[in-house]
Parts: sequence; structure tokens; C-alpha cells
Amino acid sequence: AQRVTQPEKLLSVFKGAPVELKCNYSYSGSPELFWYVQYSRQRLQLLLRHISRESIKGFTADLNKGETSFHLKKPFAQEEDSAMYYCALKGMNAGNMLTFGGGTRLMVKP
Amino acid sequence: KAGVTQTPRYLIKTRGQQVTLSCSPISGHRSVSWYQQTPGQGLQFLFEYFSETQRNKGNFPGRFSGRQFSNSRSEMNVSTLELGDSALYLCASSLDSLYEQYFGPGTRLTVT
Repeated sequence: AQRVTQPEKLLSVFKGAPVELKCNYSYSGSPELFWYVQYSRQRLQLLLRHISRESIKGFTADLNKGETSFHLKKPFAQEEDSAMYYCALKGMNAGNMLTFGGGTRLMVKP
Repeated sequence: KAGVTQTPRYLIKTRGQQVTLSCSPISGHRSVSWYQQTPGQGLQFLFEYFSETQRNKGNFPGRFSGRQFSNSRSEMNVSTLELGDSALYLCASSLDSLYEQYFGPGTRLTVT
């Protein structure tokens, strides 16, 4: 069975500090990994996906197959980064079925 | 272009009743997926429809069902409602599995 774990429910940092939101997964195969973000009173939206290898809003995430991790990082947090972040996995031949982690609330203090 | 829309946005039902939720995808999108979000279980996949066919199904009882119409609009139905069905129900649409999924605002269902 596939599983996504986000060990921190809440992460609080000061503005300008580095941020790392952890995500670990279990899947027997080659999954596709995503980070979704939900800002206050907004819809869930895609932040980035590992296959695109992009940096979005200063965030990056590298898929580490050896450690089965897909941690989200940003070198300097901004107050507008405060939101709920979800790591998600899509298996091979699984259409659009996403398995989500429990989410991490990021609070960036001024 | 218009985003994913869901109706109604809020719903209150009584235990034992049934409910139908609607999702209108972004124009041209053929895939619609449904998720249940609760504080205890988080975001859980219900099912996905693509071109009117159910392509994937999550681990939910048969009381949860769905369908997709020829215009790609989708409905999900929950029969014999239980208190535990109280949740935010999200739908997401995409062109196909290679493309980004766009989420709707959700329908908040409260079962009393």
C-alpha cells in the first residue's frame, strides 16, 4: 500500500529563516511526487511536482529515492508563505489518484 | 478561464438521508476526481472519472458513488448518511493524468 507521511503538523519559523517541510513516502515502484499548498480561504493548488524540477515561489523539492523522501525547502521564508502544505503521491498507472500526507501548517512570524 | 465549481457550497443533512454533490470541471477537462477531507483522516481519494467511466476508486463503502456526464460534469452521491460523513468534499479536474489537477472550493457537508 502507498503511504505519505508528513511528520510535522505545525512548523513555525521567523521571516528570513530557512524552511524545510518533510515528506516521506512508501511505494513499491516509481511514484510521482507533488507538493500542494492551501493559503487561507483559498483552494488547494499545486505548488510543484518532482518531474518538472522547477522552483516555484522560491521553493524546491528533490526526490530522494534512497531515503524515499521529497522534502520541500526554501532558503528564506516570507510571511506570505504561511499556509497549509500537503505532500502527495501518484502511483504508476493510477490515473489521477493522489495519496496525500496529513499536511503541515507553516507559520512564518514577522 | 473559469475554475472548477462545486454546488452546493454548504449542506446540512440528517443521518439516514442521502445527498448529491455536483462538480463542474474546467472546460475541456475530461478527468474529475473526488476527495473527502476531514480533520481526523485528512484528504482521502474517493474516485476518479474519465470520459464517463470510473477509472479509479478509493477505499470507501458502497454508499459512496459517483457518475460523470457527457459534458464532463460529475456528481457524487452518498446514501444512508452517517455522522462520520461530515466533511469537506473536494473535486479536482484535469485534462488527463499527465496534467495538473485543479481543485474546486469544496462542498461542506454536515450530517446531524
